[in-house]
Order: sequence, then C-alpha cells, then structure tokens
Amino acid sequence: AQSVTQLDSHVSVSEGTPVLLRCNYSSSYSPSLFWYVQHPNKGLQLLLKYTSAATLVKGINGFEAEFKKSETSFHLTKPSAHMSDAAEYFCVVTLRTGGGNKLTFGTGTQLKVEL
Amino acid sequence: EAGVTQSPTHLIKTRGQQATLRCSPISGHTSVYWYQQALGLGLQFLLWYDEGEERNRGNFPPRFSGRQFPNYSSELNVNALELEDSALYLCASRFRDYQGNEQFFGPGTRLTVL
Repeated sequence: AQSVTQLDSHVSVSEGTPVLLRCNYSSSYSPSLFWYVQHPNKGLQLLLKYTSAATLVKGINGFEAEFKKSETSFHLTKPSAHMSDAAEYFCVVTLRTGGGNKLTFGTGTQLKVEL
Repeated sequence: EAGVTQSPTHLIKTRGQQATLRCSPISGHTSVYWYQQALGLGLQFLLWYDEGEERNRGNFPPRFSGRQFPNYSSELNVNALELEDSALYLCASRFRDYQGNEQFFGPGTRLTVL
C-alpha cells in the first residue's frame, strides 16, 4: 500500500521569499515520488521526480525537492517565490515495480503568493 | 511534440444520462490512465489501459468503464450519471517501458451533471 500526506492545505508567502511545501509518504516498496503543479482550469504539469538516483532533485522553474528516507519526506522548496508560482501543488507516489504505476495523490497544497 | 489531448473541454449532462469522454495520448505512449478530480475528494485513480486492455481500476462502480483503441486513444464512459459524478476528468499517458514512470496529463474534461 502507498499513501501521501501533504501537511498544509494552504500556504501563503510573499513574492521573493522562500517556499516550503511539505509532503510525507508511506510505501511498502521503493517508491517513485513526484511533484505536479496545477494552475487554475489547467491540467497537471510535472515539476520534478525522484526515481532512486540523486536524493536532491531539481525541477523546472527553480523548484527542488529532497528525498529523505529516514523521515519518509519529500518536501518541495524554492528559494524565491514568484507571482506565477501561485497554483495547487500535488505530491504523488507510485511504486517503481508493479502496481500498474497508478499514481496516488496527496490532497494538494494551494500556494498563494502575495506582493 | 503534441501533448495529451482530451475532448470535449466541457460536458453538461442530466442525471441518468450517459457521458463519453475521449483522450488521445502522446504519440508513442501505450498506457492511458483516467483520474477523477472532484471537489473535496481530490484526485482519484479511475482506470488504467495498456495495449488495448484494462489493467487496473480504482474504487469506482462498474458504471464507470472505458476502452482503448488500436491507436492507443481511449474513451471513458460513465453510465446512469449521478450528481456526484460532476468533476474534472483527467487523462494521462505514459510510455510503458519508460523507467521514469512519470505520466503526462491532458487539460481535462469538465463534466457537470444537473
């Protein structure tokens, strides 16, 4: 079984300040982990992924995440928020072997960026 | 390279009717996944098709069904529509042997049941 917990449903930051979106996962086997972003009335776009290579993963638009097995965490960070980062972010887990690669989504974190 | 496409963009039906949603995967992708994003329920896995066969389904009743065609495009059918079926339905595709396991999503079909 696998599951994902996004610890904050809403996060608000000022433009130019750091972003931290928290995610904890549970998986019986070695997981693949992803962060997807969804802008209003749009589909999902992949930000970054962890698939057992480097534990610090760099993604698009300056985002990065660190896989910490001991803490079962995969938090998403960005050094400096931009207005265009305002969107909903989903932490996602899937099994790297078997399971049909179906994605299990967290409940999402709505990021608000203020001037 | 064209992304995943879905049609229609919006669909309005009444209770008891049937809805058909369509998805065209990225060229070369053989797996298609369907997800439901309903208000308050988050994103939930519906169905997975690969090489024309249903490989896995989520915790949804049998009135949610679909198929995958030889060109790997897919249809999702929802019979006997209920009000709670109103949601954004997302399709995703993936190249089956790609070790990265990521799925590429379409823009979705917004289904409204009145």
